[in-house]
Amino acid sequence: NAGVMQNPRHLVRRRGQEARLRCSPMKGHSHVYWYRQLPEEGLKFMVYLQKENIIDESGMPKERFSAEFPKEGPSILRIQQVVRGDSAAYFCASSPSVGQGTDTQYFGPGTRLTVL
Amino acid sequence: DQQVKQNSPSLSVQEGRISILNCDYTNSMFDYFLWYKKYPAEGPTFLISISSIKDKNEDGRFTVFLNKSAKHLSLHIVPSQPGDSAVYFCAASLGGTSYGKLTFGQGTILTVHP
Repeated sequence: NAGVMQNPRHLVRRRGQEARLRCSPMKGHSHVYWYRQLPEEGLKFMVYLQKENIIDESGMPKERFSAEFPKEGPSILRIQQVVRGDSAAYFCASSPSVGQGTDTQYFGPGTRLTVL
Repeated sequence: DQQVKQNSPSLSVQEGRISILNCDYTNSMFDYFLWYKKYPAEGPTFLISISSIKDKNEDGRFTVFLNKSAKHLSLHIVPSQPGDSAVYFCAASLGGTSYGKLTFGQGTILTVHP
């Protein structure tokens, strides 16, 4: 029973390029979350998606960042025109359902983005 | 606005002793709390959780205590083992339409010495 899969594990981009981060949730999970961890900080919520729907994007920067979770395939976090401040670890988590606030999120290994 | 705070950046404990990690929160609407453990270059691993209707939850060597009046929770690990050395994050979630979003503390680095 595979856990949450993220690829690539490491991604290097030059300033101005695009970064695409992929996340495949655990089998049977239909809810995906993206978090970002800057150096020396805790994880910060970015976006919560269900299949074909963005439920909560209150943590997403207003520009350059977008996320999707299509009917088929992995969830994608896209960062356009990357800047050095985007360098961070990006974690994806998944859960089977949401109800009564008791569902636990299970995390992938993360993608470490370095912007040169 | 740091709604979940872990005021101790690090904790050092001898093997076999108890480790106590603390977490404070400011938002009284949080109704579910979780602890995660994280090794370098890996994702957080779920340890234990507690609902706001309880004040204690136990799972093996791990016990989480919740004091709602003080807006404080703690994770007790006993006995501590060298393999427990990692960064520990507490997290909290709201109910209602904000289901799903976790708010994390900054983390506490636990070192267990043999």
